[in-house]
Amino acid sequence: GQSLEQPSEVTAVEGAIVQINCTYQTSGFYGLSWYQQHDGGAPTFLSYNALDGLEETGRFSSFLSRSDSYGYLLLQELQMKDSASYFCAVSLTGYSTLTFGKGTMLLVSP
Amino acid sequence: NAGVTQTPKFRVLKTGQSMTLLCAQDMNHEYMYWYRQDPGMGLRLIHYSVGEGTTAKGEVPDGYNVSRLKKQNFLLGLESAAPSQTSVYFCASTRGQSSYNEQFFGPGTRLTVL
Repeated sequence: GQSLEQPSEVTAVEGAIVQINCTYQTSGFYGLSWYQQHDGGAPTFLSYNALDGLEETGRFSSFLSRSDSYGYLLLQELQMKDSASYFCAVSLTGYSTLTFGKGTMLLVSP
Repeated sequence: NAGVTQTPKFRVLKTGQSMTLLCAQDMNHEYMYWYRQDPGMGLRLIHYSVGEGTTAKGEVPDGYNVSRLKKQNFLLGLESAAPSQTSVYFCASTRGQSSYNEQFFGPGTRLTVL
């Protein structure tokens, strides 16, 4: 089977930088995705890494190390609206589905 | 574009009752998915479809059935609801094999089974 581990909660202040880690154990790993979900609303796609390295999209960046089975989501210049749950998800070679982690709740305070 | 829509938004059922959740997308996406989300459990895949007329089981398929008779619609059925099926149900869609990592989600259906 597959397993993903991410912290249940992370707190930070406005303007700071926060990193949300995700470690995974899978066979046939293909890529790692990140999703954001506000207050139980619809999850929204943030980023995807299939290769090692950093992908940057505005204030958000995502990193992957395939050799370490590890990735992270980096949020810079935190804003109050970034308070949400963040999920990592793995995709496997030969499949058309995602397996999600349990999510990390990010609380941004003034 | 409405994107992905789900009907109904809320529903309360009694144990043993049946119901169908409807998911519709207007993006001409090939792949569609049904997830359930429970507190502290993240999103778990129930069933999915990679095209009209096809369906496949996900991680937690027991107690659910699905149908994809039209490309734009994906129906999730509960034949005999149980309290363990109290959850928030999300539908998602994506263009196809080259982009299934980027899924577009509906607003969810909040189901309570008494």
